[in-house]
Amino acid sequence: QQPVQSPQAVILREGEDAVINCSSSKALYSVHWYRQKHGEAPVFLMILLKGGEQKGHDKISASFNEKKQQSSLYLTASQLSYSGTYFCGTERANQAGTALIFGKGTTLSVSS
Amino acid sequence: DGGITQSPKYLFRKEGQNVTLSCEQNLNHDAMYWYRQDPGQGLRLIYYSQIVNDFQKGDIAEGYSVSREKKESFPLTVTSAQKNPTAFYLCASSWGYEQYFGPGTRLTVT
Repeated sequence: QQPVQSPQAVILREGEDAVINCSSSKALYSVHWYRQKHGEAPVFLMILLKGGEQKGHDKISASFNEKKQQSSLYLTASQLSYSGTYFCGTERANQAGTALIFGKGTTLSVSS
Repeated sequence: DGGITQSPKYLFRKEGQNVTLSCEQNLNHDAMYWYRQDPGQGLRLIYYSQIVNDFQKGDIAEGYSVSREKKESFPLTVTSAQKNPTAFYLCASSWGYEQYFGPGTRLTVT
């Protein structure tokens, strides 16, 4: 199942903060975050691993609550360059390997 | 420069025709993926391949087919059986946990 993201859209002024949530009905072992700017390909931001290990972007932070099966992406003191659509992805693993299942995305618009 | 190339950027086809989208990577990645992107739907997984000569269906594989004869290539064929093929198609590859995406192909079927 697709993870569920909220909100669908956020409008900010430069310097304001935002939180994007990602939840799943299945047990999570990791959550991946990507950002897609308009007209461009998605780009990896970070991964949150079960057990608390975090890797990725140094300007944006995230949390991972395994018990609640959700992750939150924190964008503080937003910049114009933060605008784009943010996707969370959860892993689906089977005998054939692992693939990411992405949420529908959260569109962030930052204005000056 | 290493990366993923998708061609063409824009593709137009008549209904009832099969069309093949190209995806090539020179990153030496084992895994490759195809996603479809529609407004408000996110990235939906069509097919993926972890190794040459093997691939798996994703969530929306109906009407699509793939092959993985070479490590660097993972072409996607949109068949006439796909009911609503007009969309933006993204190819990706990975070695560890990070996926690298190509620039995408926008397919329009009329």
